[in-house]
Amino acid sequence: EIFLTQSPGTLSLSPGERATLSCRASQSVTSDYLAWYQQQPGQAPRLLIYGASTRATGIPGRFSGSGSGTDFTLTISRLEPEDFAVFYCQQYGTSPYTFGQGTRLEIK
Amino acid sequence: QVQLQESGPGLVKPSETLSLTCTVSGDSVTSGTYYWSWIRQPPGKGLEWIGYVYHSGNTNYNPSLKSRVTISVDTSKNEFFLRLNSVTAADTAVYYCARDSWYGTALDYWGQGTLVTVSS
Repeated sequence: EIFLTQSPGTLSLSPGERATLSCRASQSVTSDYLAWYQQQPGQAPRLLIYGASTRATGIPGRFSGSGSGTDFTLTISRLEPEDFAVFYCQQYGTSPYTFGQGTRLEIK
Repeated sequence: QVQLQESGPGLVKPSETLSLTCTVSGDSVTSGTYYWSWIRQPPGKGLEWIGYVYHSGNTNYNPSLKSRVTISVDTSKNEFFLRLNSVTAADTAVYYCARDSWYGTALDYWGQGTLVTVSS
């Protein structure tokens, strides 16, 4: 099983700032099948990025993903008020598919 | 517009079986492109992948749940199902159904989730 470790656990930033979230895998992620999701309170997760760097349909350009192998990053270039939420990474290249424990992005 | 909707009992007694249905609209579960998945999230905690079913009935389960879980599909109703046997309080969670693809676009559509509480 591939374990994903997200850091930091909580990130406190202000609107307009840049956010950088990290996801590290315990072994290489097959085909860089790494996704990022955003979850607002009481809602289902929303797919942001798949294949490590491809934005999902309808996702604003301020969200970008990068990385390969075992180290991946989600960057939000300029935070909007609606961006504050919990973010999860997921690897879906090797079964069982696994999620990171989440990063909470909160307003400073 | 693809939509998924979970349904089923919100309360299950310990040792009994949790049964949920996911109704799909805007797409067909017979599509050869997609897997139909279940994910759960205990209150205040992270996400856990349970498994998926393909339209052929082929399945893939998380080994941590494999002895207790069955995911199946009814192509005539455009629905798929989750059954989890011998539940305990640790199975209390919001259960989500979602669409996955074999070509690597991850879980792109999700249901809104349904809370299942295991309690006597």
